[in-house]
Amino acid sequence: QLHLQESGPRLVKPSETLSLTCNVSAGSISSSPYYWDWVRQPPGKGLEWIGSIDYRGTTYYNPSLKSRVNISVDTSKNQFSLNLSSVTAADTAVYYCARGGDIVVIRWFDPWGQGTLVTVSS
Amino acid sequence: DIQMTQSPSSVSASIGDRVTITCRASQDVGNWLAWYQQKPGKAPKLLIFGASNLQSGVPSRFSGSGSGTDFTLTISNLQPEDFTTYYCQQANSFPWTFGQGTKVEIK
Repeated sequence: QLHLQESGPRLVKPSETLSLTCNVSAGSISSSPYYWDWVRQPPGKGLEWIGSIDYRGTTYYNPSLKSRVNISVDTSKNQFSLNLSSVTAADTAVYYCARGGDIVVIRWFDPWGQGTLVTVSS
Repeated sequence: DIQMTQSPSSVSASIGDRVTITCRASQDVGNWLAWYQQKPGKAPKLLIFGASNLQSGVPSRFSGSGSGTDFTLTISNLQPEDFTTYYCQQANSFPWTFGQGTKVEIK
């Protein structure tokens, strides 16, 4: 059964870059047409889609974050990563990685990683 | 961006009740609508995709309907584990967007 797990620093200083990695196990990132996504959730608030990447590196980003976001994939390590630059307190959130479907006929998030809370504070 | 509006924001119900949650899109999303359940401290879980298709392993008391701009999630015969928060998500066009959530509480 496909499993996703986020990892990375839990505390980031304002103006610095938030970096997270999602490790995929029990399945290969590059053996399917699926996209791999990042979604975040500020404490006590709703869900916000950040962006998607496929194994070839094709990306889609939320325009609200596009100027600060970079999502990359490393098929040799079966993982994908999120970099969010120039962070502020507003970027404090639980960050989830998820499989996002093939975009053609499957556009849902399933499964999800357990999520990791990243706090932006000096 | 397509705005997704859920109503109500919260609903009180009893075990065994039937609950209906509504999700309205700011423009036509066809059948590109999913529903998720999220328990406190946990990741969302996919319940319904394509507006009305039940995800494998999800109990049949959950059902979805609608198309275009108006959608509903119905939970029949509420069980104790169903008292939590539910989100809709549109997947018609980027950026994918979610509703603000509906919390189902015990009366």
